[in-house]
Amino acid sequence: AQKITQTQPGMFVQEKEAVTLDCTYDTSDQSYGLFWYKQPSSGEMIFLIYQGSYDEQNATEGRYSLNFQKARKSANLVISASQLGDSAMYFCAMREGSNAGKSTFGDGTTLTVKP
Amino acid sequence: DTAVSQTPKYLVTQMGNDKSIKCEQNLGHDTMYWYKQDSKKFLKIMFSYNNKELIINETVPNRFSPKSPDKAHLNLHINSLELGDSAVYFCASSLSWDYETDTQYFGPGTRLTVL
Repeated sequence: AQKITQTQPGMFVQEKEAVTLDCTYDTSDQSYGLFWYKQPSSGEMIFLIYQGSYDEQNATEGRYSLNFQKARKSANLVISASQLGDSAMYFCAMREGSNAGKSTFGDGTTLTVKP
Repeated sequence: DTAVSQTPKYLVTQMGNDKSIKCEQNLGHDTMYWYKQDSKKFLKIMFSYNNKELIINETVPNRFSPKSPDKAHLNLHINSLELGDSAVYFCASSLSWDYETDTQYFGPGTRLTVL
């Protein structure tokens, strides 16, 4: 079974609107970390936001927030007030406490922001 | 200042050649990684080093040999290059290898094309 599932290969959003990128994960560990990365067309991998499994509050970083629903094992990325520069591929990743040396990445979601 | 740097950014070579990719981080991190991103953008870990010691060696052909002269550097040498080695190779680093809360920071990637 895949440990990280991103069900949306591609998403479109109108500029200035909010968008949610889905991520579900599978682990039996109690302690784990969830990460989101952005990969623009230029190719670099940019860290966006982190959520720990024991964190009670949803993580926020500027226009990025993470909608963490532990019981449902989901960690969706919410981008508010989308900008054209948000067009990129977005990856969800997990590090498990039992195997923290390895990060597992989802297949990614390509987000296109329309003017 | 670039946190994680890789050279070269692009590498075009013939089948059968040997090539190296260099990586350096100035974040003071103990752990460094090599990832491979294939043409479908799937990201998979190859190796992980902690304080110059190999801790993760995924199922990678032994034509790939990482070397860490010190904890700030992790190089990847590839022997007898094959067409299937064409990919983007990312170096990354994190504070430690065994804490699931530690964020991995990525270099800009090296696009390897084998002709």
